[in-house]
Amino acid sequence: TQLLEQSPQFLSIQEGENLTVYCNSSSVFSSLQWYRQEPGEGPVLLVTVVTGGEVKKLKRLTFQFGDARKDSSLHITAAQPGDTGLYLCAGESRDDMRFGAGTRLTVKP
Amino acid sequence: NAGVTQTPKFQVLKTGQSMTLQCAQDMNHEYMSWYRQDPGMGLRLIHYSVGAGITDQGEVPNGYNVSRSTTEDFPLRLLSAAPSQTSVYFCASSQQGRAGANVLTFGAGSRLTVL
Repeated sequence: TQLLEQSPQFLSIQEGENLTVYCNSSSVFSSLQWYRQEPGEGPVLLVTVVTGGEVKKLKRLTFQFGDARKDSSLHITAAQPGDTGLYLCAGESRDDMRFGAGTRLTVKP
Repeated sequence: NAGVTQTPKFQVLKTGQSMTLQCAQDMNHEYMSWYRQDPGMGLRLIHYSVGAGITDQGEVPNGYNVSRSTTEDFPLRLLSAAPSQTSVYFCASSQQGRAGANVLTFGAGSRLTVL
């Protein structure tokens, strides 16, 4: 059982559509991070959220941390083919970082 | 370029063989960790270290050993490889600090196949 559950597991959409992916847990985290991974490479950090209820925007990407610091969402507006990749959430607690299984996003031109 | 370097990038082993995956970082990061990535399972923590001389187990430590004799290096050892250890392995490092500062920098990964 994953500590962090991500949904959906797969998502295929057309260019220009909006989408939201979710990261849920029963555990409380001191911070939650979102990473993006492309084939053959390691994950790369997109954003870190620390405060419950925090919202961060990165161009067309909006990240929200739940009030109870147990869940998070990533919303992409007007998706582009360059957004294609594996999106991973990661929760930080004490000395380690645990990852969800990821959402594999495909944006078709 | 500064970062996390993993070697080898690809490796094929036979069941029962041993090998070491190397990981080195030149960012003076205190925290280093090893993950394995399997389809549908995401990244699972194997072992981690918060500083030289200190290591601890993650979610899936069985079959793997680590040591941290220097700040820069964090090798992962497979003493007797099994087919279940076929996976892509990632090393990551970060500068420990306040909450939210533990930003992981990943290596490019090592793909291991055990026959």
